Amino acid sequence: KQEVTQIPAALSVPEGENLVLNCSFTDSAIYNLQWFRQDPGKGLTSLLLIQSSQREQTSGRLNASLDKSSGRSTLYIAASQPGDSATYLCAVLMDSNYQLIWGAGTKLIIKP
Amino acid sequence: DGGITQSPKYLFRKEGQNVTLSCEQNLNHDAMYWYRQDPGQGLRLIYYSQIVNDFQKGDIAEGYSVSREKKESFPLTVTSAQKNPTAFYLCASSTVRRGNQPQHFGDGTRLSIL
Repeated sequence: KQEVTQIPAALSVPEGENLVLNCSFTDSAIYNLQWFRQDPGKGLTSLLLIQSSQREQTSGRLNASLDKSSGRSTLYIAASQPGDSATYLCAVLMDSNYQLIWGAGTKLIIKP
Repeated sequence: DGGITQSPKYLFRKEGQNVTLSCEQNLNHDAMYWYRQDPGQGLRLIYYSQIVNDFQKGDIAEGYSVSREKKESFPLTVTSAQKNPTAFYLCASSTVRRGNQPQHFGDGTRLSIL
């Protein structure tokens, strides 16, 4: 059974720092891996989607990498800003049934 | 603007009562989903639908029911059989269930027990 883990559960850093959020998964038979952002009391917004054949995707200050064989993905945020404060969730789309399996998220706080 | 609308934003359920959460999308998406989000846990799939008049159970369907009579609408009913309904409920849609496009989400409904 696929399990997706995000560590740490919470992270607080000063504004301007570069930071890395981690996501690990136990079953490498994935179709893609997706990163989302969730603001308090709101729905999710898609940030990046990495196909299983890709190694990374970039959007602005965000860069996501995927190492399928080791079951790991990282989300790199450059030059963090207070507006980046949110919960970041990763999810893997399974090859077998195209179901998304979700991590519990990392709550990020950027201090001004 | 295209998007997904969930209503109400907050909902309270009395003992033994069924309640229905609304989800409407104007993105012309074929697939729609209902998730439940509890603190400290990942999203869990309740039901999904890939086409009108067809839907499938997800991992935690017990105590819930859905209908898909129109492409735009996918309401979720939380029945009295669901003994622990307090959670944040998220509706999502996508072009196809399998694919390279991420799901789009509504802003959620928070359900509590009175």
